[in-house]
Amino acid sequence: DVKVTQSSRYLVKRTGEKVFLECVQDMDHENMFWYRQDPGLGLRLIYFSYDVKMKEKGDIPEGYSVSREKKERFSLILESASTNQTSMYLCASRKYSYEQYFGPGTRLTVT
Amino acid sequence: GQQVMQIPQYQHVQEGEDFTTYCNSSTTLSNIQWYKQRPGGHPVFLIQLVKSGEVKKQKRLTFQFGEAKKNSSLHITATQTTDVGTYFCGTGGSNYKLTFGKGTLLTVNP
Repeated sequence: DVKVTQSSRYLVKRTGEKVFLECVQDMDHENMFWYRQDPGLGLRLIYFSYDVKMKEKGDIPEGYSVSREKKERFSLILESASTNQTSMYLCASRKYSYEQYFGPGTRLTVT
Repeated sequence: GQQVMQIPQYQHVQEGEDFTTYCNSSTTLSNIQWYKQRPGGHPVFLIQLVKSGEVKKQKRLTFQFGEAKKNSSLHITATQTTDVGTYFCGTGGSNYKLTFGKGTLLTVNP
């Protein structure tokens, strides 16, 4: 059974903290993605990666960075968390142009 | 990049009524995917359409891709409470990135 896992379901951080969100997939997918989901705004792409050490900016990359050192792992980094980064963060992976598999999400609250 | 507009944003129905959500683009789409996200859950893939005029069915769900490949629809016949959730359409380009619509939230009154 295919699986995308995320390191935390819920996370509370303080303004200015550095935050790491981890995502692991066990399907040997080339492509991995980070989205944030906010009410009324749908799924907005932050960054994606199509290979190890390769990354591309999505629609809202400001304030975020990513790391992909291994094929199965894609990390999202908030260098200095701010309250407007309070959101649901969803990781996903995909092989070529087939269906996308999402992780369970991390609900991040920045206080 | 490709963009898709999804309507309506919200739809409330009585159980047993039909439901349709639409996904529209001003440009020709290479493909369209549909996902369902249950409340508190994550999006789950339903189907992919790639051919002009394609129609696919999954039990009470019917998916269509327009002849011009600029729009798509998801129709649910005789809704049930288990159909509650947000339905997203997404389309992908050559870089494997999917662009999603904002989704349609369906609520069903039992």
